[in-house]
Amino acid sequence: LAKTTQPISMDSYEGQEVNITCSHNNIATNDYITWYQQFPSQGPRFIIQGYKTKVTNEVASLFIPADRKSSTLSLPRVSLSDTAVYYCLVGGLPFTGGFKTIFGAGTRLFVKA
Amino acid sequence: GEEVAQTPKHLVRGEGQKAKLYCAPIKGHSYVFWYQQVLKNEFKFLISFQNENVFDETGMPKERFSAKCLPNSPCSLEIQATKLEDSAVYFCASSQFRLRDRFRGLNTEAFFGQGTRLTVV
Repeated sequence: LAKTTQPISMDSYEGQEVNITCSHNNIATNDYITWYQQFPSQGPRFIIQGYKTKVTNEVASLFIPADRKSSTLSLPRVSLSDTAVYYCLVGGLPFTGGFKTIFGAGTRLFVKA
Repeated sequence: GEEVAQTPKHLVRGEGQKAKLYCAPIKGHSYVFWYQQVLKNEFKFLISFQNENVFDETGMPKERFSAKCLPNSPCSLEIQATKLEDSAVYFCASSQFRLRDRFRGLNTEAFFGQGTRLTVV
């Protein structure tokens, strides 16, 4: 299973763009890259998912280079409420033999006023 | 329901006692996952189910942990003879994976409950 490495913590200011990079050097062909957000005392919440190139939704963008050995979550114009732990996950899908999504240690983002 | 419901929210057990946690997945979701989150945000995968069948149990400490997902009942995670090191937040998640969703480019996401905080004293 692919192991992920992310920065332990990051600080930012309101209104700034935040980019969190995750390394996953041994990602498998069938693996997807998914990012989750977790607030204290809550379960993780899905943010975005991708396989390659760029994915964008209403809250974030996900950039994945051609070799897929890393990915970058981009949060445009963060606010105080974006203060949370962000997890990069790499995992396969059930039909490939398992859906054992492995969480890394996450990146604690702290947004200041 | 439209959210994963976990009960109880908090559970305190003395060492050696049994602990049982419950999870009601989102209606229609066929995959259920259990995770253990200890200090420093580390998640540990425990077990997954596809409907009532165990899909992957490679993370389960089998000598004391067991889990079930029976039809028309909440899923459960049971710890026999709890130890201090079992103190953690246990999360349940559910997902409805369909192959056709992937071909349509739809996401395969897991929806998490609020967790059960188990404290073993």
